[in-house]
Amino acid sequence: DAGVTQSPTHLIKTRGQQVTLRCSPISGHKSVSWYQQVLGQGPQFIFQYYEKEERGRGNFPDRFSARQFPNYSSELNVNALLLGDSALYLCASSEPQQGSTDTQYFGPGTRLTVL
Amino acid sequence: ILNVEQSPQSLHVQEGDSTNFTCSFPSSNFYALHWYRWETAKSPEALFVMTLNGDEKKKGRISATLNTKEGYSYLYIKGSQPEDSATYLCAFFEDSNYQLIWGAGTKLIIKP
Repeated sequence: DAGVTQSPTHLIKTRGQQVTLRCSPISGHKSVSWYQQVLGQGPQFIFQYYEKEERGRGNFPDRFSARQFPNYSSELNVNALLLGDSALYLCASSEPQQGSTDTQYFGPGTRLTVL
Repeated sequence: ILNVEQSPQSLHVQEGDSTNFTCSFPSSNFYALHWYRWETAKSPEALFVMTLNGDEKKKGRISATLNTKEGYSYLYIKGSQPEDSATYLCAFFEDSNYQLIWGAGTKLIIKP
């Protein structure tokens, strides 16, 4: 079975531009979470979507938005890019059962560089 | 602001030696603690999910313990092997925002 896939793998943008990152979950998984990971820190939670509804949102500005499609794939959009948005963006899918104990399965990430 | 701390930040261990490291988390409103392993150029991979005070989990040479009353978990690796080289992350489930709060990880390097 295919794991979580993300596209693109690398992306270079300039300040002020907009970017869309894509994620396809493991087949049968209905929940997708997005994380931002900066070198030397743990992943920072951005969003979780379950059954196309936002279930949780981290402490990120409104420039960050996401959505989940009927096939459970997801997009993360970031507007008005800042240099500080340069990071590895990870997507994780899970098959929600209890919530707190759900194992998350991660994709390879998208490396975003903002110049 | 909830905080998850991991120590040490990095660790060099001789092949064959055993080692352990710590994850500290808030002791109130505890639901679950997750451990993940993240090898270079790969995706984070789940090791354990721990829920009960006193819980002990084991997977091969890796084991973990949990103390929810004092807010810490230990990860142990017995007889370290080169393939154990990775960053080990813990994550605390925070229910008000349905999120995992992650520590910065312990980077383990096994010296042959």
